[in-house]
Amino acid sequence: RKEVEQDPGPFNVPEGATVAFNCTYSNSASQSFFWYRQDCRKEPKLLMSVYSSGNEDGRFTAQLNRASQYISLLIRDSKLSDSATYLCVVNKWGAGNMLTFGGGTRLMVKP
Amino acid sequence: NAGVTQTPKFQVLKTGQSMTLQCAQDMNHNSMYWYRQDPGMGLRLIYYSASEGTTDKGEVPNGYNVSRLNKREFSLRLESAAPSQTSVYFCASSESAVGYTFGSGTRLTVV
Repeated sequence: RKEVEQDPGPFNVPEGATVAFNCTYSNSASQSFFWYRQDCRKEPKLLMSVYSSGNEDGRFTAQLNRASQYISLLIRDSKLSDSATYLCVVNKWGAGNMLTFGGGTRLMVKP
Repeated sequence: NAGVTQTPKFQVLKTGQSMTLQCAQDMNHNSMYWYRQDPGMGLRLIYYSASEGTTDKGEVPNGYNVSRLNKREFSLRLESAAPSQTSVYFCASSESAVGYTFGSGTRLTVV
């Protein structure tokens, strides 16, 4: 079983839609959580960190459920420019700065 | 501000050939990493260097060697390339688990 699992998609949504991605992680010792965005044929870039209390950055909301080992990302009012692959990422206790990446969920926003 | 610079961007090798992928960062980060990304597999850690003078194996180190030449530079060497090493390779650096900076990637094809 992969340490970080995501539905690969693609999620095809119209502009203006709300879309949610989920991610599960297997290691209960995971301590930090992130969402990265990766555009086609580009490098991953940090989108946002995920805090236990949940956090919001504009149209993006991230939530963490430690009991269920589950992370989510909600995108409201989708834009064409949101089309990308979203990577769920965790950092484990004792792993220093090393991150474990999920396989990514591909989002395609259509006009 | 260049961030993380990887060379080359593209490479085609014949089976059995060797090559070195170069990576340099100008952010004075202690930690550097090499990942490979394959369809459906996400990013997998090959080797990492927590600080200058140290290197450690990641999830998929077989067939690779690394050198942390100094604080700025971290190279990845394929001694005898195999078709299974066809992939996109990303170098990254960080000072903490938050805020990895990735290079733009090397697309390697082994025929």
